[in-house]
Amino acid sequence: GAGVSQTPSNKVTEKGKYVELRCDPISGHTALYWYRQSLGQGPEFLIYFQGTGAADDSGLPNDRFFAVRPEGSVSTLKIQRTERGDSAVYLCASSPREAGVDTQYFGPGTRLTVL
Amino acid sequence: SQKIEQNSEALNIQEGKTATLTCNYTNYSPAYLQWYRQDPGRGPVFLLLIRENEKEKRKERLKVTFDTTLKQSLFHITASQPADSATYLCALERSGGYQKVTFGTGTKLQVIP
Repeated sequence: GAGVSQTPSNKVTEKGKYVELRCDPISGHTALYWYRQSLGQGPEFLIYFQGTGAADDSGLPNDRFFAVRPEGSVSTLKIQRTERGDSAVYLCASSPREAGVDTQYFGPGTRLTVL
Repeated sequence: SQKIEQNSEALNIQEGKTATLTCNYTNYSPAYLQWYRQDPGRGPVFLLLIRENEKEKRKERLKVTFDTTLKQSLFHITASQPADSATYLCALERSGGYQKVTFGTGTKLQVIP
């Protein structure tokens, strides 16, 4: 079946612009995660949804970052007033949350470059 | 907050040998610990999970151990092959239900033919 998809695969923007990154999880997966990954680093947690609600948004670095999952499926990560330091690969993962475990299925990521 | 440490230096081993990667954590004990593989330009792929009440798990050439006293997990790849070359990440979820999963920084493994 279809895996997690993310669009766009690459996004180049200018400092100060607004961007939206989209994640289409595996159908039926209740949990959805957003991570940010810089070169040579592990995925850095941003936000975690259970269904439509954000169960934990403690990883969002500041109020320029916001994410939604209005119908408990597709999620959008929104970044306002982008800064060069926001450049990274943004990964999305979904999980069926079976037997109390989040085994995560990752998308290919969106590479964001802020000029 | 939880801190997860993996050897940041790359691990180079000869083909056919056993690779052993280490994951150490501080603070609270996780409900379970997972190992993922990540290839360049791709998202991580799940390999194995071990729960807090388990000591060892195996899957084909892979073996994971979990020592909650030492707060450490070891990940072994036996009879390593060049195709095993990748970055390996450990990740854990805290006990208590619906907690976020936290990843380590990963260890890059290079299997030399």
